[in-house]
Amino acid sequence: QKEVEQNSGPLSVPEGAIASLNCTYSDRGSQSFFWYRQYSGKSPELIMSIYSNGDKEDGRFTAQLNKASQYVSLLIRDSQPSDSATYLCAVKDSSASKIIFGSGTRLSIRP
Amino acid sequence: DAGVIQSPRHEVTEMGQEVTLRCKPISGHNSLFWYRQTMMRGLELLIYFNNNVPIDDSGMPEDRFSAKMPNASFSTLKIQPSEPRDSAVYFCASSLTGIKMGEQYFGPGTRLTVT
Repeated sequence: QKEVEQNSGPLSVPEGAIASLNCTYSDRGSQSFFWYRQYSGKSPELIMSIYSNGDKEDGRFTAQLNKASQYVSLLIRDSQPSDSATYLCAVKDSSASKIIFGSGTRLSIRP
Repeated sequence: DAGVIQSPRHEVTEMGQEVTLRCKPISGHNSLFWYRQTMMRGLELLIYFNNNVPIDDSGMPEDRFSAKMPNASFSTLKIQPSEPRDSAVYFCASSLTGIKMGEQYFGPGTRLTVT
């Protein structure tokens, strides 16, 4: 059973600080990785995709991938209260046409 | 584009009744996914269509669940008969294929309550 593991949180971060969300995965052959944000009562929304080792930046968001360690992270700089949500890590199964979602980390930004 | 459209947004039904959920994917997307989300089990893939053909239905919980995609712009998920344990939020998502299949666009979901 291929797995994607996340700390469920809640992770509490002061406004303006950097929030760091982490994810590990078991499928060593995975090549595609994604971060989704889900506000309470809403549907998941794609915020970042990353396909190669290293960092990928998009505005205040940076995704980091380390395939050797089977680890992917999301950094949110200058955290805002509007960033409070659950963040889902997702990994494409290397041997099947599907995405495996982690259970999500609940992030709370305190003013 | 209007995004992925789902109906109904809320459904309350009694145990034993048939439930049909509907989805219209984003135009041009050729992959469609049905998910179920609960607090206990998180987001689970039920079935995946590519070019209207079911590719992976291993997540469909049992024979009470069935899904169809008669054309590129419409899909249904049917539960017959429904049971209280089917209560969940059901999402439809669409994407392009290949390396982009993980870049999925989700509909607003259908909140199903079976009493």
